[in-house]
Amino acid sequence: DAGVIQSPRHEVTEMGQEVTLRCKPISGHNSLFWYRQTMMRGLELLIYFNNNVPIDDSGMPEDRFSAKMPNASFSTLKIQPSEPRDSAVYFCASSPLMNTEAFFGQGTRLTVV
Amino acid sequence: AQSVAQPEDQVNVAEGNPLTVKCTYSVSGNPYLFWYVQYPNRGLQFLLKYITGDNLVKGSYGFEAEFNKSQTSFHLKKPSALVSDSALYFCAVRELSSNTGKLIFGQGTTLQVKP
Repeated sequence: DAGVIQSPRHEVTEMGQEVTLRCKPISGHNSLFWYRQTMMRGLELLIYFNNNVPIDDSGMPEDRFSAKMPNASFSTLKIQPSEPRDSAVYFCASSPLMNTEAFFGQGTRLTVV
Repeated sequence: AQSVAQPEDQVNVAEGNPLTVKCTYSVSGNPYLFWYVQYPNRGLQFLLKYITGDNLVKGSYGFEAEFNKSQTSFHLKKPSALVSDSALYFCAVRELSSNTGKLIFGQGTTLQVKP
C-alpha cells in the first residue's frame, strides 16, 4: 500500500478563498483523523471519523471549517473563507482499529496570504 | 477527558549517552499509548506502542518505552543516542472507554543530540 496520501502537498491561497484539502486513507482502515500543526499550538486534532461517520468534531476551530468522508477511501477538509491564521500544516492519518497506531500522510502545507 | 503532557520542550544529550523523553497521560479507562517521531518537513512516523502486557516495550531504531500505571507515565528511552535521533518526538494516547478511539498528542519534545 502507498500509505496515506494527501493532496496537495503545498497550497498558497489568498485570504477569503475556499481551500479544499484531500486525503486517501490506507485501504481497509476504519478510522480517519485530521490534524493541524502549528508552532504555537502544536498538533491539534480537528475531527475524527470512524467507518466514514464523524465521531468527534470538537476540535474544528469554527464554522469556516468543514470535513466530509463520503466513502471509505476519501476525505476532504474545507476552509471557506480562508484566513491568514489558518496557515499551518494539515495532516491526515488513518488506523485499522481503535486500539492501534495511526499512520500519517506527508501533510499539506497551507499558506493563506 | 483524555490528555497527554510532555513537560520538556527540548532535551539535549551528547551522542552515546542515554536519553529519556518524558510523557504523562490522563485517561478514565485503559490507556493505549504511542510514541511518534517527526523529522523536518515530514509526517509523523510511528515508533512504538503500549497496548497491554509487558510494561517495557521496544520499538524502532533502538527506542524503548516504559509504561508505569501508578505514575501514569510512558517515558521514551534509548541506551545510546545518535546524532541522527535529533528530531521532534510526540507521545499520544487513545482511550476506548467512550468507544471513540480518539487519538490525542502531546505538545512534542525536540531532541537534540550533539556530537
